[in-house]
Amino acid sequence: DAGITQSPRHKVTETGTPVTLRCHQTENHRYMYWYRQDPGHGLRLIHYSYGVKDTDKGEVSDGYSVSRSKTEDFLLTLESATSSQTSVYFCAITPGQFYGYTFGSGTRLTVV
Amino acid sequence: AQTVTQSQPEMSVQEAETVTLSCTYDTSENNYYLFWYKQPPSRQMILVIRQEAYKQQNATENRFSVNFQKAAKSFSLKISDSQLGDTAMYFCASLIQGAQKLVFGQGTRLTINP
Repeated sequence: DAGITQSPRHKVTETGTPVTLRCHQTENHRYMYWYRQDPGHGLRLIHYSYGVKDTDKGEVSDGYSVSRSKTEDFLLTLESATSSQTSVYFCAITPGQFYGYTFGSGTRLTVV
Repeated sequence: AQTVTQSQPEMSVQEAETVTLSCTYDTSENNYYLFWYKQPPSRQMILVIRQEAYKQQNATENRFSVNFQKAAKSFSLKISDSQLGDTAMYFCASLIQGAQKLVFGQGTRLTINP
């Protein structure tokens, strides 16, 4: 489709374990984003990246870290997963603000 | 701060009817973009329509159109001749020019009944 893929699509993990979600793009876009979706909250920004090794925090960044060592890959890490991080996680890219964002298919993460 | 509010958690209409989803936003900026996204049960986020704040003309995409009222900070989505495939969550979102944060409303769950 739009050249953005997320992995895994589903994951169940135990409280306290580290988890890494991967976002991969083939569009060579500068900006990449991680959002989480929860009922009643819509989508909320966790972190975003504006270039290789350049990242910044969003509104719900506590408990999450990101890395971007290559233009095409943006990783989201939960250092020690908690039940409150059970959510659907979306990665997004954009060629420019007018065009809005293109989203990956999401990762459903369950922390038990 | 940038906020987006969708006051209708759920809506339901009959197939072929017209339905309007409401969205209000709050920003002190003058240049921004507004979007409607559709999320069907597949979970995929699909861009439906977009509007640039400096354009007074309302955007239209086939059966989808918006009513953009800049002074009232209102951005509603109208779906004409609704179809079963329109059943989905719909999210309103805003993006301030120069910022890098697409801000979403809480969503409206729309059901089209046969």
